Amino acid sequence: NFLLSQPHSVSESPGKTVTISCTRSSGNIASNFVQWYQQRPGSSPTAVIYEGDQRPSGVSDRFSGSIDSSANSASLTISGLKTEDEADYFCQSYDNNNLVFGGGTQLTVV
Amino acid sequence: QVQLVESGGGVVQSGGSLRLSCVASGFTFSRYGMHWVRQAPGKGLEWVAFIRFTGSDDYYADSVKGRFTISRDNSKNMVFLHMKTLRLEDTAVYYCAKDQVPRGYNGYGCHSWGQGTLVTVSS
Repeated sequence: NFLLSQPHSVSESPGKTVTISCTRSSGNIASNFVQWYQQRPGSSPTAVIYEGDQRPSGVSDRFSGSIDSSANSASLTISGLKTEDEADYFCQSYDNNNLVFGGGTQLTVV
Repeated sequence: QVQLVESGGGVVQSGGSLRLSCVASGFTFSRYGMHWVRQAPGKGLEWVAFIRFTGSDDYYADSVKGRFTISRDNSKNMVFLHMKTLRLEDTAVYYCAKDQVPRGYNGYGCHSWGQGTLVTVSS
């Protein structure tokens, strides 16, 4: 199995744009869809991006996902940051019926 | 709307057993694979197990293989996680989650999550 690496933490100001990366250790990032989950303190995770760049119903269009094949990574971009976006974000992919999660990125909006 | 409600967590001694349950509503349960994902206190998410929508096949993380068994009852819209030979490192909140692909051959991702149930393994 491969690993997914994320920065431990990122910080940005309200109204700005932040991008969180998710780098796959081996194999092609584009060969399996990447999902992104938001987990606010004390809550369950919720999906904000699936299949690389798709938003579930009800998720703000301020959230977008992309793939950079040259860096073998996926990215989650949040524009127009709000204090309510402060949360942990996890990327996830799959291989051989196993789900693989990144270690998570703590987003601080200050 | 999709609802997943887990139960069965609690405190158990190392080496003991526990069975978690998850009841689903708001979608056609028999069309979706189901996952169990856990989160140790202050840590990230760890995938535990997956069962296909038919119940015919199941898959496990190496850390639980041979100790945990996932099963489902499509007539009751329920998925279970039978855990035995529990270890201290199994202490976590356990979430059940609905896969994102209907009638998917594999597990792809977690479209919806329950609120979780806490399992504490004591020495």
